[in-house]
Amino acid sequence: GAVVSQHPSWVICKSGTSVKIECRSLDFQATTMFWYRQFPKQSLMLMATSNEGSKATYEQGVEKDKFLINHASLTLSTLTVTSAHPEDSSFYICSARDPTGIQALHFGNGTRLTVT
Amino acid sequence: DAKTTQPPSMDCAEGRAANLPCNHSTISGNEYVYWYRQIHSQGPQYIIHGLKNNETNEMASLIITEDRKSSTLILPHATLRDTAVYYCIVRVETSGSRLTFGEGTQLTVNP
Repeated sequence: GAVVSQHPSWVICKSGTSVKIECRSLDFQATTMFWYRQFPKQSLMLMATSNEGSKATYEQGVEKDKFLINHASLTLSTLTVTSAHPEDSSFYICSARDPTGIQALHFGNGTRLTVT
Repeated sequence: DAKTTQPPSMDCAEGRAANLPCNHSTISGNEYVYWYRQIHSQGPQYIIHGLKNNETNEMASLIITEDRKSSTLILPHATLRDTAVYYCIVRVETSGSRLTFGEGTQLTVNP
């Protein structure tokens, strides 16, 4: 079945540095990918919609200059957390829709970011 | 997308059927019912979806009431690995494919 690969699965970085998270659709092309964030004991919150070849669409309250999204190909979207701070520590999850499948979204296994 | 209401938690004995309810009384005629689950520290996993007919696949069955205002996800023989948060989501299938997650139901399968 369709698989979405997310890398790295976990990362620890120092405050003020930037971290890049990759999301790949392995056996289908995804013109649209989604980035979510999940804090402990909370549900997933949509951060932004990543569109191949165009600018991402950010949800209200999400800083586009802090969370840089690039979707340069039909199989890869990246999320860069710039100048990370401890409050950015969270579980980041990407998803992609398989247009040839059953209209379901497939999710990566998430990236645990810890900012010290 | 229509709002859904789910119980925050449920318990089930291993080997028994787990029946997870979801209320979506404001659902529109073109909105589908989707179920996903999230095992701890993993990404959500698609389970099943339906419009108005009952659906069954290798993972679960989805029973939608005739007025479509509620549905039940059935795991026929729950195992310990089915312990997860289960999300019921209602949306128009072509609404940009975005999913809005509620709080879901924490299902705990006990040995």
